[in-house]
Amino acid sequence: DGGITQSPKYLFRKEGQNVTLSCEQNLNHDAMYWYRQDPGQGLRLIYYSQIVNDFQKGDIAEGYSVSREKKESFPLTVTSAQKNPTAFYLCASSSSSGRVAGELFFGEGSRLTVL
Amino acid sequence: GESVGLHLPTLSVQEGDNSIINCAYSNSASDYFIWYKQESGKGPQFIIDIRSNMDKRQGQRVTVLLNKTVKHLSLQIAATQPGDSAVYFCAERRVGNTPLVFGKGTRLSVIA
Repeated sequence: DGGITQSPKYLFRKEGQNVTLSCEQNLNHDAMYWYRQDPGQGLRLIYYSQIVNDFQKGDIAEGYSVSREKKESFPLTVTSAQKNPTAFYLCASSSSSGRVAGELFFGEGSRLTVL
Repeated sequence: GESVGLHLPTLSVQEGDNSIINCAYSNSASDYFIWYKQESGKGPQFIIDIRSNMDKRQGQRVTVLLNKTVKHLSLQIAATQPGDSAVYFCAERRVGNTPLVFGKGTRLSVIA
């Protein structure tokens, strides 16, 4: 079945360490996104990519990095520069049909905890 | 600043009653709106959408109403069930090639 797969589901990190969250989609979608969700909060956009080898910063890109080397994959690295990385991270994709903001299909999320 | 927001952060309803979740948006140029449902520990799931050239759209047990005059969006859930307990987000698509903007969400709790 088509969908978006995020891994790992749970991740623990020591302070000062970088960690990479995986996001893979087999929906043949052009656009992919990373959102951060804190308890009781909405979704805040970290990075998004409309096409392979291109990506744009969202509202809270500081301390994060991404790559889009393949259409199916959009990994997110949480770097040591991110001061408060403990959160629930959501990856999404959309068939933009020329526009970025079509209906989003979300993965099941990755919960990162910094020890 | 411009934002998508919600009037009520929490909503408790009796099983079988109808639920109404509200959302205010401030960008009058937004042309597309979506409601998502997020269950605990999971990713949001699409419920229903509506374009700005419509006032109402119905799905299975859900209806979305759009009032462009007052920039207000609502989600109505008929005969609310325990499985409807979740956080509901509205999202808007603004003019220009930019990603969806999400509101903060409303938690719906269904009392059996």
